[in-house]
Amino acid sequence: KQEVTQIPAALSVPEGENLVLNCSFTDSAIYNLQWFRQDPGKGLTSLLLIQSSQREQTSGRLNASLDKSSGRSTLYIAASQPGDSATYLCAVPDSNYQLIWGAGTKLIIKP
Amino acid sequence: NAGVTQTPKFQVLKTGQSMTLQCAQDMNHEYMSWYRQDPGMGLRLIHYSVGAGITDQGEVPNGYNVSRSTTEDFPLRLLSAAPSQTSVYFCASSSDSPWNNEQFFGPGTRLTVL
Repeated sequence: KQEVTQIPAALSVPEGENLVLNCSFTDSAIYNLQWFRQDPGKGLTSLLLIQSSQREQTSGRLNASLDKSSGRSTLYIAASQPGDSATYLCAVPDSNYQLIWGAGTKLIIKP
Repeated sequence: NAGVTQTPKFQVLKTGQSMTLQCAQDMNHEYMSWYRQDPGMGLRLIHYSVGAGITDQGEVPNGYNVSRSTTEDFPLRLLSAAPSQTSVYFCASSSDSPWNNEQFFGPGTRLTVL
């Protein structure tokens, strides 16, 4: 059964720093991997989707990479801003149409 | 486009009451799903639909019913609310299955069952 892990559970960095969030999965036979952000009390906003055939995807200051063989994905955030503070979640779909979720990394960017 | 919309945003029920959580999307997406989010449990799939007239159960379907009479709407019905159904409920949609396409989520409904 697929398991998704995100480490660390929480991260606090000063504004302007570049940072990396990690996502690991146990079964490398994935279709894709999606990164989301969730603001407190709010819904989930899709950030990036990486298909299994891709190595990385970029959107603005965000870059997500995928290494299926090692079961890892990273989300790189460049020049962090206080508005980036949120919980970041990664998810992979399983064979039953369900997204399997990591527990998330709570990111705090200090002004 | 409004994307995925959910109503109500907040709801308080008494044990045994029934209610329907509404979900609609204006992106002509075939695939729609309902998740619940609980502290320490993450998001879990309740029901999903691959198109109008087709629904199936997810990981935690007990106590919930769904129907898909149109492409746009996917309501979730709580038949007899229980305190264990206190949760945040999210509706999602995509143009195809999660295997192929990006999932878009609504803002959620916070439900408390007393």
